[in-house]
Amino acid sequence: TQLLEQSPQFLSIQEGENLTVYCNSSSVFSSLQWYRQEPGEGPVLLVTVVTGGEVKKLKRLTFQFGDARKDSSLHITAAQPGDTGLYLCAGARRGGGTSYGKLTFGQGTILTVHP
Amino acid sequence: DTAVSQTPKYLVTQMGNDKSIKCEQNLGHDTMYWYKQDSKKFLKIMFSYNNKELIINETVPNRFSPKSPDKAHLNLHINSLELGDSAVYFCASSLSPSRGEQYFGPGTRLTVT
Repeated sequence: TQLLEQSPQFLSIQEGENLTVYCNSSSVFSSLQWYRQEPGEGPVLLVTVVTGGEVKKLKRLTFQFGDARKDSSLHITAAQPGDTGLYLCAGARRGGGTSYGKLTFGQGTILTVHP
Repeated sequence: DTAVSQTPKYLVTQMGNDKSIKCEQNLGHDTMYWYKQDSKKFLKIMFSYNNKELIINETVPNRFSPKSPDKAHLNLHINSLELGDSAVYFCASSLSPSRGEQYFGPGTRLTVT
């Protein structure tokens, strides 16, 4: 079973602080996605990273894909209460077999940003 | 316009009953999925259809039966509901099975009493 280890599981911080969420695996992924889920809603896609070493920025969020395409990080600068939610990383693998069409999800990070 | 919609949003039923959840996507995607999210928020794939063909069938009790009448619809029927089936069920879609970008519906919270 391919696993994506996501850490930390819980993060409670004050508004204005910075934070980083990590996603690690022993498997190589063709792409890695980050999703954000708010209570009572489905996960919403934030970003896809495809190339090893790739860095993408989305306002105060910075996403990085590891050089070997086995790990990724999400960094939030100056967190705001509106960033509160569940953050999920998910890896996709190309090719057939049992991996075809299957996303491997991390366990999730519940982020709470206090005003 | 809702991209991926599910009905119902909430479903409360008794053990032993049979229920269905419906999903529709208007994104023109070829691939649709059913996920189960447990109380610890872990998302587990259950089924996936690509162009109406079943391509993922995880270790799920055969009381769960998906049906895809066309590319835009994927329904989930559950027979003989059990307490352990209580969870949030999400439908999702993607352009193709190899694309990791999936678009999720709002979820159906199933409570079995």
